[in-house]
Amino acid sequence: EVQLLESGGGLVQPGGSLRLSCAASGFTFSSYAMNWVRQAPGKGLEWVSVISSSDGRTYYADSVKGRFTISRDNSKNTLYLQMNSLRAQDTAVYYCAKAVRMQLWLPGSWGQGTLVTVSS
Amino acid sequence: DIQMTQSPSTLSASVGDRVTITCRASQSISVWLAWYQQKPGKAPNLLIYKASSLESGVPSRFSGSGSGTEFTLTISSLQPDDFATYYCQQYNSYSWTFGQGTKVEIK
Repeated sequence: EVQLLESGGGLVQPGGSLRLSCAASGFTFSSYAMNWVRQAPGKGLEWVSVISSSDGRTYYADSVKGRFTISRDNSKNTLYLQMNSLRAQDTAVYYCAKAVRMQLWLPGSWGQGTLVTVSS
Repeated sequence: DIQMTQSPSTLSASVGDRVTITCRASQSISVWLAWYQQKPGKAPNLLIYKASSLESGVPSRFSGSGSGTEFTLTISSLQPDDFATYYCQQYNSYSWTFGQGTKVEIK
């Protein structure tokens, strides 16, 4: 069974930084692309970033490009999201999501999410 | 970013109704469009990818169509389990985007 457990969320001041982690189990982590998707309270979904399984290709939403960095450690089965220069509009629940299939990078299995609140 | 606009934002329907949701892209995305269903407090579930390909395990009453800039998700006969919010997502460019969502409510 696929399990994804996000951590690292919390309250941070505008301009601050936070690093999210996603511990994966139940599948061959190194074989799948991984996504971060966020959802502000009561709002819709916003795709944030995706990273390929092993060659380091990364893509970002325009809203986070240059501020957020996605990375992974396949030896630790862990996905990361480094978030810098945080803004109030980054407040959301952040989900990590495993790609549907090796050839289809869309978010498939999702974690329970971790809440990031950006406020002074 | 490519902007995705869904219509309507809210839809009231009855069990057994045929329901259609539209998603428009601000520029051509070929067929690189997915549809998701999300129920309150739950993670989204992929229904359709590549505009019209039904994901494994998804009931056949769901179907997708379209290409270029206009796409539709159709539920042929709405079931009680289908009351949820539906999102389209484009994955044509290197920066993917979701639509704002369509909530399907009980009439």
